[in-house]
Amino acid sequence: GENVEQHPSTLSVQEGDSAVIKCTYSDSASNYFPWYKQELGKRPQLIIDIRSNVGEKKDQRIAVTLNKTAKHFSLHITETQPEDSAVYFCAAGYKLSFGAGTTVTVRA
Amino acid sequence: GAVVSQHPSRVICKSGTSVKIECRSLDFQATTMFWYRQFPKQSLMLMATSNEGSKATYEQGVEKDKFLINHASLTLSTLTVTSAHPEDSSFYICSAWDSTTNEKLFFGSGTQLSVL
Repeated sequence: GENVEQHPSTLSVQEGDSAVIKCTYSDSASNYFPWYKQELGKRPQLIIDIRSNVGEKKDQRIAVTLNKTAKHFSLHITETQPEDSAVYFCAAGYKLSFGAGTTVTVRA
Repeated sequence: GAVVSQHPSRVICKSGTSVKIECRSLDFQATTMFWYRQFPKQSLMLMATSNEGSKATYEQGVEKDKFLINHASLTLSTLTVTSAHPEDSSFYICSAWDSTTNEKLFFGSGTQLSVL
C-alpha cells in the first residue's frame, strides 16, 4: 500500500515568514495529493489539493508543488498569520494514506 | 456542496458493549466509503474500505470481526465496534468520493468513542 512520510513534525515561524512542509510517498500510481488542516476532534479541512497532471497549484497564500519523479510534494504558506497555527496533514492516493502531521505555530 | 453526515458525534459506552456508527452521503451516491481511526495527537489511519453491495476490505492489522462494516445502500455505510474495550476509544471518521465525478472526497464530522 501507500506510505506517506511528512516532515517536519513541528514548525515554528515568525508571523509574516513562510512555512514549508514536505511529504514523500511510495506508490507511483497515486495521483491525488491533498493537504488538510485539522482542529482537535474535528474533521480534516481541505486547504489545497493537486493531481498528478499538474506540477504546481496556488491559492492566495497557499501553494502546493508536486514532483512525480522524486515522489514528493510540498505545502508552502507565505506571509503566515497567527490563524495559520494548526496541525497540517498531507495525504496521497485514492484511499488517502496520511502523513504523520505537522504542528505549525506562528509567533506574533 | 456535497455533505457526508456521521452519527453519533460522541458516544460513551461500557466495556463489552457494541457501538454502531453511521456514515451517510446526503446528496450524492457513494459506492465506496472509507473508515479511519485517529488516536490523540496522531494521524488518521485507514481501517477499511467499504464497498456497496460487497464485503469491506480491511487494512493490515485491523480485526474484521471486531470492526464490522456494512454498506447496504449507495448512501449509507455503518461501522460497528463489537465488544468495545477501553483501547478502542478513539476518534472514528468516514469519508466518501462523489461517485459521479470522483473529483472530491468528503469527510464525515467524526465520532469520538469513549469506552469505560
